[in-house]
Amino acid sequence: DQQVKQNSPSLSVQEGRISILNCDYTNSMFDYFLWYKKYPAEGPTFLISISSIKDKNEDGRFTVFLNKSAKHLSLHIVPSQPGDSAVYFCAASENSGYALNFGKGTSLLVTP
Amino acid sequence: SAVISQKPSRDICQRGTSLTIQCQVDSQVTMMFWYRQQPGQSLTLIATANQGSEATYESGFVIDKFPISRPNLTFSTLTVSNMSPEDSSIYLCSVGEGAGYEQYFGPGTRLTVT
Repeated sequence: DQQVKQNSPSLSVQEGRISILNCDYTNSMFDYFLWYKKYPAEGPTFLISISSIKDKNEDGRFTVFLNKSAKHLSLHIVPSQPGDSAVYFCAASENSGYALNFGKGTSLLVTP
Repeated sequence: SAVISQKPSRDICQRGTSLTIQCQVDSQVTMMFWYRQQPGQSLTLIATANQGSEATYESGFVIDKFPISRPNLTFSTLTVSNMSPEDSSIYLCSVGEGAGYEQYFGPGTRLTVT
């Protein structure tokens, strides 16, 4: 059963605009959330994470928002750049465990 | 973050054979993991590779099918045994400091079983 869901398989955004990628989860025991970016033929690259004790974490152009009551998190990329075009995976874990539970990914295309 | 390499990067194998995938890290790491990404699916944890002891497998994965070695803190291997077309996937190793920390991934091994 998929505990982390990314319901949008793809997203297209114009360069310079905001990209918003969404992720929902079902397991209330998850307390650590991560976003990864993946280019073709490469492994996932860690982008940004957030602990469940926070509702926002920012790193440069990337901001992750966490809404625990809705079991929802989102990744905002501002401004979007063509080099951001990749597949983005949301992942979550329980602090007591090592397994990262991944969503199926959202393919982002940033057009000039 | 650590630099992680995997060998081979890709392979095409026949049904019934076995393939061993190597994962090498440029520094000593506490935890090493093996994941699988089947076509169109998310990444799924196969097992945690424990240094000096047997790997810890996730539900649905068994040692006879996916034997793992971790002889030291920088190296691990995953063997995919008695392969079938359903084993066609990308296999990735990752490293991390443990629960509640981010993991860093190798480039992956793309396996096709015919």
